[in-house]
Amino acid sequence: NAGVTQTPKFQVLKTGQSMTLQCAQDMNHEYMSWYRQDPGMGLRLIHYSVGAGITDQGEVPNGYNVSRSTTEDFPLRLLSAAPSQTSVYFCASSYAGAQETQYFGPGTRLLVL
Amino acid sequence: RKEVEQDPGPFNVPEGATVAFNCTYSNSASQSFFWYRQDCRKEPKLLMSVYSSGNEDGRFTAQLNRASQYISLLIRDSKLSDSATYLCVVKAGKSTFGDGTTLTVKP
Repeated sequence: NAGVTQTPKFQVLKTGQSMTLQCAQDMNHEYMSWYRQDPGMGLRLIHYSVGAGITDQGEVPNGYNVSRSTTEDFPLRLLSAAPSQTSVYFCASSYAGAQETQYFGPGTRLLVL
Repeated sequence: RKEVEQDPGPFNVPEGATVAFNCTYSNSASQSFFWYRQDCRKEPKLLMSVYSSGNEDGRFTAQLNRASQYISLLIRDSKLSDSATYLCVVKAGKSTFGDGTTLTVKP
């Protein structure tokens, strides 16, 4: 099992550019989510999905889009990058259920100039 | 007010010390509670779930007080390897993370 994988590990963008952060999991988890973590802060939920074809907004969704066409993949799209989106992005997955543990990918470090 | 608030820290303790972290949450409909550990610049990993009756895992003890809406984590006999940031997580459908408390254990 590879667990949760994320690509790329690092990315530098210019303001206004778009890009897609990839996330994949091989554990057949129903629930997937994207978080951002700014320095000295906890994780803030961007978008999440409870299954293929179903997505919903989290705490900080503006400037990001997601889709979930398969159980395994949950890409995050930045439509027009801004310096305020400089952050570390973590993808996580879990089985459905209140007590289920979330497993995180290694993160993508994004710098927007 | 944040939904999940943690002790600001940082905590700097000698090896062998006992240290306790507290976390309060505002959503009374919260269903489940966790402590995660995050090492520098790496992904968070589950340390332990927190159950209503309290639970222990080796040197770590977690407590939940639903009436007062707080969670605690006690670490006994601290090791150098316990140095990390500890994140309190509260789940009511979606998961909400606290900002974390940084622990440094010194020789």
